[in-house]
Amino acid sequence: RKEVEQDPGPFNVPEGATVAFNCTYSNSASQSFFWYRQDCRKEPKLLMSVYSSGNEDGRFTAQLNRASQYISLLIRDSKLSDSATYLCVVNAQQAGTALIFGKGTTLSVSS
Amino acid sequence: DAGVIQSPRHEVTEMGQEVTLRCKPISGHNSLFWYRQTMMRGLELLIYFNNNVPIDDSGMPEDRFSAKMPNASFSTLKIQPSEPRDSAVYFCASSWAGINSPLHFGNGTRLTVT
Repeated sequence: RKEVEQDPGPFNVPEGATVAFNCTYSNSASQSFFWYRQDCRKEPKLLMSVYSSGNEDGRFTAQLNRASQYISLLIRDSKLSDSATYLCVVNAQQAGTALIFGKGTTLSVSS
Repeated sequence: DAGVIQSPRHEVTEMGQEVTLRCKPISGHNSLFWYRQTMMRGLELLIYFNNNVPIDDSGMPEDRFSAKMPNASFSTLKIQPSEPRDSAVYFCASSWAGINSPLHFGNGTRLTVT
């Protein structure tokens, strides 16, 4: 099993739609979780951290399910500008590779 | 505020040549990371430094790759000799508190080895 897995998509949705992505991780010792956004030919940028109790930032909601070892990102009222690749990042907090990125889920929002 | 600064933005070189990528982290950040991104493998951590000391270099592909951080404001990633399979985008990132705090990425260096 890969350490961090994401459905690559693409997810093609109309403006205004609600879309959700999941990310599964294999290391139960993981302690920190993030979602990053990467636009085409650009660097990844932090979208939001993911907290155990779940957290919301405007139209974006992140959830963590430790029992099932996955995190999710929900985007409400999608905008054209949300079109990007969303990367899940997990920190194993132990010796060895520390910050592991998923390969990303591509979202395309159309008018 | 200046972000993470990488140079060059693009590098095209021939197989066998030495390549040096440069990075200036955000002032005050104590951790620096080198990543490589390809379509096939996504973003892979090559090495990271904490307070200028290499902490985890398990991602460095082989002896052809080396990284240094002589001071808190500068790091290099060197490939010698370069091979076509090294073609990728190389990102440098920094954070203020190691692997538990968010990373700030530079614009990346797009390396093409012919």
